Amino acid sequence: QKEVEQNSGPLSVPEGAIASLNCTYSDRVSQSFFWYRQYSGKSPELIMSIYSNGDKEDGRFTAQLNKASQYVSLLIRDSQPSDSATYLCAVNKRRDDKIIFGKGTRLHILP
Amino acid sequence: DAGVIQSPRHEVTEMGQEVTLRCKPISGHNSLFWYRQTMMRGLELLIYFNNNVPIDDSGMPEDRFSAKMPNASFSTLKIQPSEPRDSAVYFCASSYGTDPYEQYFGPGTRLTVT
Repeated sequence: QKEVEQNSGPLSVPEGAIASLNCTYSDRVSQSFFWYRQYSGKSPELIMSIYSNGDKEDGRFTAQLNKASQYVSLLIRDSQPSDSATYLCAVNKRRDDKIIFGKGTRLHILP
Repeated sequence: DAGVIQSPRHEVTEMGQEVTLRCKPISGHNSLFWYRQTMMRGLELLIYFNNNVPIDDSGMPEDRFSAKMPNASFSTLKIQPSEPRDSAVYFCASSYGTDPYEQYFGPGTRLTVT
């Protein structure tokens, strides 16, 4: 089982709709969770971090964490064509440990 | 404030040559990470430093790869000798604190080994 798993996509969502990106992780003791956005040919950019169960909202983005199910998601409301990118889920297993990245989900917002 | 700076942005070299990639972390950050990204394997951590000391180099693929951080504002990743399978985008990232939270990535170096 891969440590951090994401559906590679592409996930196609109409403009203005909600995009839902999902990520599962294998190590139950994982403590910190991140979402990075990567445009084609660019570097990953941190957009959300979440450390406790529940929802965390930042503008049009909401991160959701369910440690019991080992599941973290990212919701993008009112999707825009500029949201088209690859979204990388990252997990930090322990406070002094490295971050493990998933391979990413390609999101395509349809105008 | 300047972000993470990497050089060169593109490097094309022949198999067997030595390649040196350079990184300047964000001022004040005390952790530095080297990653490699390919379509097949995604984003892989090669090595990371905290306060200029290598903490985890388990991701370094083999002895051909080496990394140094002589001071808080500079790090190098060297490949000697280079091979075609080393072709990838190499990213440097930095963060503040002893925990690898919230890393900020540089623009990357696209390496092509022919």
